Amino acid sequence: KAGVTQTPRYLIKTRGQQVTLSCSPISGHRSVSWYQQTPGQGLQFLFEYFSETQRNKGNFPGRFSGRQFSNSRSEMNVSTLELGDSALYLCASSLGTTVGPGELFFGEGSRLTVL
Amino acid sequence: SQQGEEDPQALSIQEGENATMNCSYKTSINNLQWYRQNSGRGLVHLILIRSNEREKHSGRLRVTLDTSKKSSSLLITASRAADTASYFCATDANGVGGSSNTGKLIFGQGTTLQVKP
Repeated sequence: KAGVTQTPRYLIKTRGQQVTLSCSPISGHRSVSWYQQTPGQGLQFLFEYFSETQRNKGNFPGRFSGRQFSNSRSEMNVSTLELGDSALYLCASSLGTTVGPGELFFGEGSRLTVL
Repeated sequence: SQQGEEDPQALSIQEGENATMNCSYKTSINNLQWYRQNSGRGLVHLILIRSNEREKHSGRLRVTLDTSKKSSSLLITASRAADTASYFCATDANGVGGSSNTGKLIFGQGTTLQVKP
């Protein structure tokens, strides 16, 4: 069974631009979560989608948005990029049907550098 | 604020020795998980322990959970150079009954483990 696939793996943008990151979950997984990882703040939850609906949202500004498609693939978008948005963005998938968090399966991440 | 806080932040040991990492959290939980991350890569799930369990084993890993102290420990026995990585504990966000938070974990800052050959 293929794992979680994130694209692109690396990208460089300049301040003010926008970026879209893509995540393909494990087949059969309906929940996709996104996390931002930085040296200073660690791993922080961005949002979770389940069956095309945002089910949970972290404490990030509205510049961060996401969506999920009917095939469970998900995208996240960051608009008006700031230097502080430089981070490793991790996508994780799970069945999403357990009470309380079950095991999350992570992709390798998309490393965004904002210049 | 972080739900899980880990101790120590960094640990350096020789191959063959045991490594112990500790995690403390603040609120009630459904379960606690441990993940490993090799440098700059994605996280890999190691083990999940439920709030009604006290100890769990998986291969060379042993996890304990003390809900009265809101703490957990991860023990890696007979460490290998390949165990060199960062280790994170993670808990659910809303505690018992938070059925909608299946994808939301709160991670500690992690312990960086170096195993010297």
